[in-house]
Amino acid sequence: GAVVSQHPSRVICKSGTSVKIECRSLDFQATTMFWYRQFPKKSLMLMATSNEGSKATYEQGVEKDKFLINHASLTLSTLTVTSAHPEDSSFYICSARGGSEWNQPQHFGDGTRLSIL
Amino acid sequence: DQQVKQNSPSLSVQEGRISILNCDYTNSMFDYFLWYKKYPAEGPTFLISISSIKDKNEDGRFTVFLNKSAKHLSLHIVPSQPGDSAVYFCAARRGSQGNLIFGKGTKLSVKP
Repeated sequence: GAVVSQHPSRVICKSGTSVKIECRSLDFQATTMFWYRQFPKKSLMLMATSNEGSKATYEQGVEKDKFLINHASLTLSTLTVTSAHPEDSSFYICSARGGSEWNQPQHFGDGTRLSIL
Repeated sequence: DQQVKQNSPSLSVQEGRISILNCDYTNSMFDYFLWYKKYPAEGPTFLISISSIKDKNEDGRFTVFLNKSAKHLSLHIVPSQPGDSAVYFCAARRGSQGNLIFGKGTKLSVKP
């Protein structure tokens, strides 16, 4: 089946550091990629949607200058958490979808556990 | 306002029995529904989906039922196995380009 690779799986860094997370679709072209955040015991919260070559569309309440998303190719999207603070600590998951057919499911990466000290 | 609701945060089932996970939604415009399984520290894995034009879709031990009039869907796992223990998320989408709206998940524990 479709595979989405997310890297790194875990990051621990100091407050003020910027952290980049990569998301790759390994065996299909991802026309659309999604970035989610999951808080403990909560559902997945969509942060932003990006289409290849276009600017990302951010959900309400998500700071676009804080969470920079780049979808430079059909197989790679990156999320950069700029000047991270302890409140940014969370589990970040990317997802990708290929094609425009109505029955295309999204496939998820394994997530990145971000811990800001 | 939560558009996709999974009202049971947890479910415990004996191995070999049927597991039934429920999901309710409020938006009648949703036309595609999915179930994902998630282990700790991993991303969700797609399990099974159903279009709003169907009322049942089956894949091996997994069957999803959709009741549009009640805005309700359920995932049946039979027979349940200990390896099925995970958090199950119900998700809904409107249109082919719509974003997935997730429920809060139900933690399934299958006891040997």
